[in-house]
Amino acid sequence: EPEVTQTPSHQVTQMGQEVILRCVPISNHLYFYWYRQILGQKVEFLVSFYNNEISEKSEIFDDQFSVERPDGSNFTLKIRSTKLEDSAMYFCASRRLAGLSTDTQYFGPGTRLTVL
Amino acid sequence: GENVEQHPSTLSVQEGDSAVIKCTYSDSASNYFPWYKQELGKRPQLIIDIRSNVGEKKDQRIAVTLNKTAKHFSLHITETQPEDSAVYFCAARDSSASKIIFGSGTRLSIRP
Repeated sequence: EPEVTQTPSHQVTQMGQEVILRCVPISNHLYFYWYRQILGQKVEFLVSFYNNEISEKSEIFDDQFSVERPDGSNFTLKIRSTKLEDSAMYFCASRRLAGLSTDTQYFGPGTRLTVL
Repeated sequence: GENVEQHPSTLSVQEGDSAVIKCTYSDSASNYFPWYKQELGKRPQLIIDIRSNVGEKKDQRIAVTLNKTAKHFSLHITETQPEDSAVYFCAARDSSASKIIFGSGTRLSIRP
């Protein structure tokens, strides 16, 4: 069964550095998401992306964050200048828009970001 | 915006007994309610979902009920097994949005 994949699994960075988290959504999916989960807390929505543009974003997704679909398969989240409070698990998710089960979001394994 | 409340935060049940986790949502426009199971360090895995045109859905030992009037939905796990131990999240999504709003999670422990 196809799965969402993410790289790297763990990223350690210094405060103020830029990081790029990468995701490969399921191939016939058209809607993409980033969520984050601070250790021990709930999963929080960051941004959704459809038709090469942001369709929705949360208050967390400020000017330090950006998303991109640089080619036909990758979906990236960039944090320009990381802060300590950006330390979290970042999950990518994707959803199909046609056929059965169009509501279901499938999550990737996550990237654990540690900002020192 | 949508707000999802979940309780209890922790739940311990004897193996073989049932477990019930309850959630409420605030936005009456919400029409899709998934439940995710998350094992330590792993991704959230969808275990069951329900849409607002249905009051109950069952899949083997797992069932979900939805009360639209009261804006409540619940997860029921029967005949619990050790592998059911995990954190369970309820979530909701409204028809005008795509994002899922998660509850705060319930850590379920199954005692042998």
